[in-house]
Amino acid sequence: DQQVKQNSPSLSVQEGRISILNCDYTNSMFDYFLWYKKYPAEGPTFLISISSIKDKNEDGRFTVFLNKSAKHLSLHIVPSQPGDSAVYFCAASGRESNYQLIWGAGTKLIIKP
Amino acid sequence: DVKVTQSSRYLVKRTGEKVFLECVQDMDHENMFWYRQDPGLGLRLIYFSYDVKMKEKGDIPEGYSVSREKKERFSLILESASTNQTSMYLCAGSNTGDYQPQHFGDGTRLSIL
Repeated sequence: DQQVKQNSPSLSVQEGRISILNCDYTNSMFDYFLWYKKYPAEGPTFLISISSIKDKNEDGRFTVFLNKSAKHLSLHIVPSQPGDSAVYFCAASGRESNYQLIWGAGTKLIIKP
Repeated sequence: DVKVTQSSRYLVKRTGEKVFLECVQDMDHENMFWYRQDPGLGLRLIYFSYDVKMKEKGDIPEGYSVSREKKERFSLILESASTNQTSMYLCAGSNTGDYQPQHFGDGTRLSIL
């Protein structure tokens, strides 16, 4: 049973527009969430995180929103740039997972020029 | 930041061979992890280690073992390689403490023929 779900395998967005990547989780005990970015033939790179005591965290062009009641988080990228084309993974952590990261399957973001 | 180095980017081995994947991190951090990444499945944890000579099974340990003789080095061993172990293998390290991001190496693309 997948505890962290990224239901969109891919997403295509025009350069300069907003990219919104979504992630749902089933375990209400998760209290820390992370987004990673992965280019082909490279390891994932940590992007941004949010703890469950917040509903928003911002870092430059990247903002993560957390809706605990809906068990949903999203990553907003504004404005989208060609270098943002990559696979994005969301991951969750908490006491029940012994603070190990539980990963979604990833969403491939394609930024069109 | 933790810098994580995996010894091989690409590796081709034959069925039944014993395969060693090496990972070194250059900071004095206790936590190290081995994942495999397959399309549509995200990252799946094979083994992890919180200290020298300590190891814990992850979600998919079957067919694998690990070795942590020194703090900076964490090796993944495929005891008798099989074709279903063809995958991208990712090593990660993190600082001690809850809610610490994991930092990844560039991965080893392993093909078992």
